Amino acid sequence: EDQVTQSPEALRLQEGESSSLNCSYTVSGLRGLFWYRQDPGKGPEFLFTLYSAGEEKEKERLKATLTKKESFLHITAPKPEDSATYLCAVQAPSGNTPLVFGKGTRLSVIA
Amino acid sequence: GAGVSQSPRYKVAKRGQDVALRCDPISGHVSLFWYQQALGQGPEFLTYFQNEAQLDKSGLPSDRFFAERPEGSVSTLKIQRTQQEDSAVYLCASTIQTSGGYTFGSGTRLTVV
Repeated sequence: EDQVTQSPEALRLQEGESSSLNCSYTVSGLRGLFWYRQDPGKGPEFLFTLYSAGEEKEKERLKATLTKKESFLHITAPKPEDSATYLCAVQAPSGNTPLVFGKGTRLSVIA
Repeated sequence: GAGVSQSPRYKVAKRGQDVALRCDPISGHVSLFWYQQALGQGPEFLTYFQNEAQLDKSGLPSDRFFAERPEGSVSTLKIQRTQQEDSAVYLCASTIQTSGGYTFGSGTRLTVV
């Protein structure tokens, strides 16, 4: 069974304090690993897709990396507006397999 | 439309009542997914449509849950005889293909009292 474990559950940072969120996964083959951001009362917002080990993607203060067992979302010099829940999801390669999500990491950035 | 639209945004149902939740996907998006998100948890898969065909309903928790997409666009998730454990946010997502990032709606928050 495909599984996604995210850590930590919650993270509190001072503005400008860089850190990383972890996503460990177990999947029978990997079609893609996805990062989403979710604000309170809203649906998840797509950030990145990573397809193979060694791949990296960047967007503003966020950089996502992928290994064969885990992915990291690095946040450089975060701002209060980066506060949100960050969700990781995996998709197995066979057929029309839906995304399997982790429980998320709740990030708070304090000014 | 520009995004995935879900209605109603909030629904309060008495235990035992039937509810219907609507999803309007992005025009032209072939694939449509329903997810259930409990408080503090990640979304959990319920069911998946490709056009009007329901290809996977393995995540529906019981036979009280039913989904349809009769014309391959708008979808409805129906829950019969609601129970307290059905209280959650129900998210709809669509995508133009079977892989790649989904676009989610804002969800319907269902509270069963």
